[in-house]
Amino acid sequence: DAGVIQSPRHEVTEMGQEVTLRCKPISGHDYLFWYRQTMMRGLELLIYFNNNVPIDDSGMPEDRFSAKMPNASFSTLKIQPSEPRDSAVYFCASSLGRGAETQYFGPGTRLLVL
Amino acid sequence: EDQVTQSPEALRLQEGESSSLNCSYTVSGLRGLFWYRQDPGKGPEFLFTLYSAGEEKEKERLKATLTKKESFLHITAPKPEDSATYLCAVQAGGNTPLVFGKGTRLSVIA
Repeated sequence: DAGVIQSPRHEVTEMGQEVTLRCKPISGHDYLFWYRQTMMRGLELLIYFNNNVPIDDSGMPEDRFSAKMPNASFSTLKIQPSEPRDSAVYFCASSLGRGAETQYFGPGTRLLVL
Repeated sequence: EDQVTQSPEALRLQEGESSSLNCSYTVSGLRGLFWYRQDPGKGPEFLFTLYSAGEEKEKERLKATLTKKESFLHITAPKPEDSATYLCAVQAGGNTPLVFGKGTRLSVIA
């Protein structure tokens, strides 16, 4: 298996622009997680899905952030409008079950908002 | 509130100098404790899962142990390729999401 795939790997945009991050989970995994990592706050869970349904989005910082999972093999995280404080590395992870099951992470998208 | 604290924040070792990383946690009913390794520019890579106090797991130069309040990641005779950030995460009871610590940045100097 190719593992979790994320695109783009790097994104540089200007404040106010829309940013869309993409994730393809490992085939067969039923849970998908979006995280944000910064030096100050470490790795933070933003939202997670089970069988394509959003379960908990309490980590989504503001209404500017939205996430979708239209099918089992694709998810997007959208920021509109983007702000400089959104600059971070965004990771997608997937797992088979969530009861103390291992999460497998993608390579991340490094976002810089100018 | 579930909390995970890792120490030290950064650790610099000479090649061959064994040491331990600490992960202290406060959770309401531990279902699992996870160790991940993260290299610069990459996503966290799974190392171990520990489920109950007294459990130990080993992989090459790494050994993870678990008590009711903390976990240790012991590194024996480290090599420069062991340099990375090591993350600890816990899952509490009730199907709650993982809570991650901020990690320990390990540098092993040849």
